[in-house]
Amino acid sequence: DTEVTQTPKHLVMGMTNKKSLKCEQHMGHRAMYWYKQKAKKPPELMFVYSYEKLSINESVPSRFSPECPNSSLLNLHLHALQPEDSALYLCASSESGSVWNTDTQYFGPGTRLTVL
Amino acid sequence: GNSVTQMEGPVTLSEEAFLTINCTYTATGYPSLFWYVQYPGEGLQLLLKATKADDKGSNKGFEATYRKETTSFHLEKGSVQVSDSAVYFCALSAPGDTGANSKLTFGKGITLSVRP
Repeated sequence: DTEVTQTPKHLVMGMTNKKSLKCEQHMGHRAMYWYKQKAKKPPELMFVYSYEKLSINESVPSRFSPECPNSSLLNLHLHALQPEDSALYLCASSESGSVWNTDTQYFGPGTRLTVL
Repeated sequence: GNSVTQMEGPVTLSEEAFLTINCTYTATGYPSLFWYVQYPGEGLQLLLKATKADDKGSNKGFEATYRKETTSFHLEKGSVQVSDSAVYFCALSAPGDTGANSKLTFGKGITLSVRP
């Protein structure tokens, strides 16, 4: 089983709202990722968690706040977003948390976010 | 740095036609190579992968061979179906060089449309 689940599937929020995206995997993977994907573009890496610790932050604005409560769960907290933040947000996981890891990343179905 | 170059799209084919999508890469070290597919309104799915030179990845009738001498990983299918219509991303994962996890580097993606 290589399933990564994400909720909600769709989210519409205003610029003053606070919302959270949730990602879950039960494959025992030790690395988890958040990506942002705009239409007709490849995914752009936002954050990487390795062994539940933030490993990479790709200079993402502070209005995006990741959290990894345990090894199976990854959240992305959203606050004061801008309309240009509207995109598909993808979560992924891979087996190893090692820095030499070139393991396959398995993606979830994504959350389609619209910021009004 | 690492990079992936995919042929320009979109590509439109008739059902049962032969498909080739070119992908070349630049990377330090020994990357793993991947093809991901994204169907309309969905997340990315791993289509196939290869982890070392001369490996051939295959799945659902698609094939790609890791060619180190030409730094290529071209995707082929002998007979496409309407259901293969999707966006295809070539990607590589190379060991991290900054003490952090390795990252997926994506090509721009190519849209394939198969008509009946």
